[in-house]
Amino acid sequence: EAQVTQNPRYLITVTGKKLTVTCSQNMNHEYMSWYRQDPGLGLRQIYYSMNVEVTDKGDVPEGYKVSRKEKRNFPLILESPSPNQTSLYFCASSTTGLAGYNEQFFGPGTRLTVL
Amino acid sequence: QKEVEQNSGPLSVPEGAIASLNCTYSDRVSQSFFWYRQYSGKSPELIMSIYSNGDKEDGRFTAQLNKASQYVSLLIRDSQPSDSATYLCAVNTGNTGKLIFGQGTTLQVKP
Repeated sequence: EAQVTQNPRYLITVTGKKLTVTCSQNMNHEYMSWYRQDPGLGLRQIYYSMNVEVTDKGDVPEGYKVSRKEKRNFPLILESPSPNQTSLYFCASSTTGLAGYNEQFFGPGTRLTVL
Repeated sequence: QKEVEQNSGPLSVPEGAIASLNCTYSDRVSQSFFWYRQYSGKSPELIMSIYSNGDKEDGRFTAQLNKASQYVSLLIRDSQPSDSATYLCAVNTGNTGKLIFGQGTTLQVKP
């Protein structure tokens, strides 16, 4: 089954404790992206990757890191989480990032709470 | 700031009626337009994409795009209670793949 997977699905942690949220897709997609969703603010892009070894900042990159060493994986790293990073996180992927060919498919989401 | 605007709703329609959801966008060079459905606590699910002016139909769903008016809409025919969800309009303007989302319209289909 073609899908985007994320782990963990739920995480409660404390301020300053480094964490990684994994994202993997099995559709051979070039493009991957991370979004966060907050009430009243909607979905906002954190980071994206056009292909392996190429990543760039989205609209809200502060406090996050990413890496893209393999096509299928795009982990999101929070080096020192803070309470304002409490949110619902989605990973998405598409064939390409080019306009007109970029239908993005979303993972199931990770609900993160930082105390 | 590039924006995508949607009426938050809720939009309430009776079962079997046509639901009409609207979206406007500010960036005139936008090229790709998408409608996602999101149930509470779940991830966005792509239901329609449209890239050129006019209508695109897929089952009970019709997407309409008018680039001159910077307007995209989604019609849901024969609405069912299972269509009750938040519908997100998303727009892609460049070649970074970034989607700019509207706040979403909550649709309630009443039996």
